[in-house]
Amino acid sequence: TQLLEQSPQFLSIQEGENLTVYCNSSSVFSSLQWYRQEPGEGPVLLVTVVTGGEVKKLKRLTFQFGDARKDSSLHITAAQPGDTGLYLCAGAVQGAQKLVFGQGTRLTINP
Amino acid sequence: DTGVSQDPRHKITKRGQNVTFRCDPISEHNRLYWYRQTLGQGPEFLTYFQNEAQLEKSRLLSDRFSAERPKGSFSTLEIQRTEQGDSAMYLCASSLGDNFGGYTFGSGTRLTVV
Repeated sequence: TQLLEQSPQFLSIQEGENLTVYCNSSSVFSSLQWYRQEPGEGPVLLVTVVTGGEVKKLKRLTFQFGDARKDSSLHITAAQPGDTGLYLCAGAVQGAQKLVFGQGTRLTINP
Repeated sequence: DTGVSQDPRHKITKRGQNVTFRCDPISEHNRLYWYRQTLGQGPEFLTYFQNEAQLEKSRLLSDRFSAERPKGSFSTLEIQRTEQGDSAMYLCASSLGDNFGGYTFGSGTRLTVV
């Protein structure tokens, strides 16, 4: 059983469209992070959210942490081919000293 | 600082052989983590160190796996008597203090057991 469930697992859209990726759990997290991973490389940190209800923007990417700190979303506006990659959410369970990762959302943006 | 370095990037080995991977973290980071990632999945936690102390090991880490971090600097992950199921990307990450600042990952070591 996956502690963090990401949806969708695969998403293929046209350049210029908007999209949202979800990360859900029944557990409460002290922090939640989003990473992007390209083939053959390690994940790269995009953002960390800590406070319930928090919203962070990174250019065309908007990240939201749920009020109860159990879920998060990543919204991309006007997607570009350079956004293609595997998007991973990762949570720090309260009291634990490690991150647990979702299974990832593989995003493909077609020109 | 050039980030987290892992060596080798790729390793092909025959079933039953032993392999060892190395990770050099960011020098000022006191925490070091090993994760394993199989195709189409997110990284799975294996073990972590705070300085030289190994503080947690996953149940995924069978007796054939051992990790060390002598002197709290670089770390090695050894797999003895490799099996085909060990084929995966082995990722090392480091962080400073708690989890809020995020991890810096290396590029990983891709292990193929034939």
